[in-house]
Amino acid sequence: DAGITQSPRHKVTETGTPVTLRCHQTENHRYMYWYRQDPGHGLRLIHYSYGVKDTDKGEVSDGYSVSRSKTEDFLLTLESATSSQTSVYFCAISESEQVLTQFFGPGTRLTVL
Amino acid sequence: AQKVTQAQTEISVVEKEDVTLDCVYETRDTTYYLFWYKQPPSGELVFLIRRNSFDEQNEISGRYSWNFQKSTSSFNFTITASQVVDSAVYFCALRGISGSARQLTFGSGTQLTVLP
Repeated sequence: DAGITQSPRHKVTETGTPVTLRCHQTENHRYMYWYRQDPGHGLRLIHYSYGVKDTDKGEVSDGYSVSRSKTEDFLLTLESATSSQTSVYFCAISESEQVLTQFFGPGTRLTVL
Repeated sequence: AQKVTQAQTEISVVEKEDVTLDCVYETRDTTYYLFWYKQPPSGELVFLIRRNSFDEQNEISGRYSWNFQKSTSSFNFTITASQVVDSAVYFCALRGISGSARQLTFGSGTQLTVLP
């Protein structure tokens, strides 16, 4: 299994508070991704990174920001959480543009009250 | 924009039955990649297979087989002699090579329940 961890695994927070989710990999893969999973929608891409300090938006990026200061860590921040951001968040990694398969972390269940 | 449709929201079968999960995709790219992932009740996402658009050979791995047909834009997944442990949500996904299509687009998933 790919070495991907996510923290925290579960979080309950209140509307308006900032939240940061962390994804850590030990595979030294170049690409990292954040997805959210909601019933009826499958997984949707929030942001991704193609290298240290190189990030770009995905399909559902509004209300989220990311940072990648080291190869192994990719942070997802909700600046002011809303109830619509209640979801399960998955981090994924892939080795390169040529090696396309993405491997996923265990997920973080976030509840915004 | 690319799209993946998994029309079967839920399927229920009895153990040892064969079951096919359908996946239909849309893309403008002539080169693309198709994937299947499994999400068991524990919640993690497990990679099952990747298929390139230029390789239309069907693939078999144990009880699993995949039927890729470019003519109908389908990449169906068959489980032979299903087992209770096959109960999971299965996602089909598509990745193109141009612009935003280079990102992975998922279908909404098919919940498979295998009854003992």
